[in-house]
Amino acid sequence: EVQLVESGGGLVQPGGSLRLSCAASGFTVSSNYMSWVRQAPGKGLEWVSVIYSGGSTYYADSVKGRFTISRDNSKNTLYLQMNSLRAEDTAVYYCARMTLVVVTAILSPDAFDIWGQGTMVTVSS
Amino acid sequence: DIQMTQSPSSLSASVGDRVTITCRASQSISSYLNWYQQKPGKAPKLLIYAASSLQSGVPSRFSGSGSGTDFTLTISSLQPEDFATYYCQQSYSTPPLFTFGPGTKVDIK
Repeated sequence: EVQLVESGGGLVQPGGSLRLSCAASGFTVSSNYMSWVRQAPGKGLEWVSVIYSGGSTYYADSVKGRFTISRDNSKNTLYLQMNSLRAEDTAVYYCARMTLVVVTAILSPDAFDIWGQGTMVTVSS
Repeated sequence: DIQMTQSPSSLSASVGDRVTITCRASQSISSYLNWYQQKPGKAPKLLIYAASSLQSGVPSRFSGSGSGTDFTLTISSLQPEDFATYYCQQSYSTPPLFTFGPGTKVDIK
């Protein structure tokens, strides 16, 4: 069964750090484009970061320079290292697998087709 | 950056109703538009990709249309399990900067 399971969320003080994990089963993380998407309480969805199968990474402006996406191929696991956390980072964080599409002759990530159950991150003193 | 808007922000409907949700992009995104359904406390679920292609396993009462800047999601006959929030999402931006619409909540009249 294709599945994603997040872990690592919790309560952290402003300025603190946290590392989220996303364990995959049924497919290989390193062969896919993988993203993190978050949702603040009562709010909509916000894309956070993507890592390509080739290793390229991209970030939303709101987290650039503070968050780092990575993966461990031996563990088939995706990570999100979150530093310098702020109150506005409080959200449920989802990992998601992405489908691919050709955009202007370039293979690009498209839709989020497999999602984890989410892990809650609360930044508060 | 490409901004996404949705209308209405919420609607009340009855089982069996035909429901249409609109999504608009701030610039042309061709057909790089996806739709998701989210129920309370659950992860989003992909319904429609490439503006009009039905994701595997999704009931045929869901359909999508549009291209350029204006898109619609239609539920032909609303079922009890369809009461949820629906989001559109664009994948046109390069480098990637995926943006979602603010969502449309469909609840019971």
